Amino acid sequence: DAKTTQPPSMDCAEGRAANLPCNHSTISGNEYVYWYRQIHSQGPQYIIHGLKNNETNEMASLIITEDRKSSTLILPHATLRDTAVYYCIVEEGAGGFKTIFGAGTRLFVKA
Amino acid sequence: DTGVSQDPRHKITKRGQNVTFRCDPISEHNRLYWYRQTLGQGPEFLTYFQNEAQLEKSRLLSDRFSAERPKGSFSTLEIQRTEQGDSAMYLCASQLNTEAFFGQGTRLTVV
Repeated sequence: DAKTTQPPSMDCAEGRAANLPCNHSTISGNEYVYWYRQIHSQGPQYIIHGLKNNETNEMASLIITEDRKSSTLILPHATLRDTAVYYCIVEEGAGGFKTIFGAGTRLFVKA
Repeated sequence: DTGVSQDPRHKITKRGQNVTFRCDPISEHNRLYWYRQTLGQGPEFLTYFQNEAQLEKSRLLSDRFSAERPKGSFSTLEIQRTEQGDSAMYLCASQLNTEAFFGQGTRLTVV
């Protein structure tokens, strides 16, 4: 079973921030939180990952709660091309990608 | 383009035939993973290599499946005596540090 829980679907208006939540209450101290997204018929695309500090890159921001039991992926200005399935996974990092992704959150960005 | 390439992108085969897929990881990446993804589900881990050594196999990897990574470079995944239940997207990912990057996958249809 997947170690994370995500809502099955979310809507977001184009140009607004998309906030995707993820619960990972059983995360262990050496596990990272990773986010990937998958656009239909393509392979998963890496977005961002973090251990305990908040992270930001050119694609998104990752906010991890202090107890590390949940996190939020933020797409600051969603576009129609951000419509995809977003997966939150927890893994050890190096050598640890032996995971079940779960069903993810299907994000619909609407014009 | 993540730098991980998979070949072929699509394969249609008759039940009972053998098929082989190839994955070329990012050149300096020493870890390589194979996943399977069925319609509407997230990717599921199949097996993992560090350099040429196959370090872990999922219980999903039946005896009809075999994977190799000669010389720690490209990898192949072979399915013998294919069954209709083998129809899925087969994904490869490679990793050097903490991020894993996925290829576009090989979509297998068994008829």
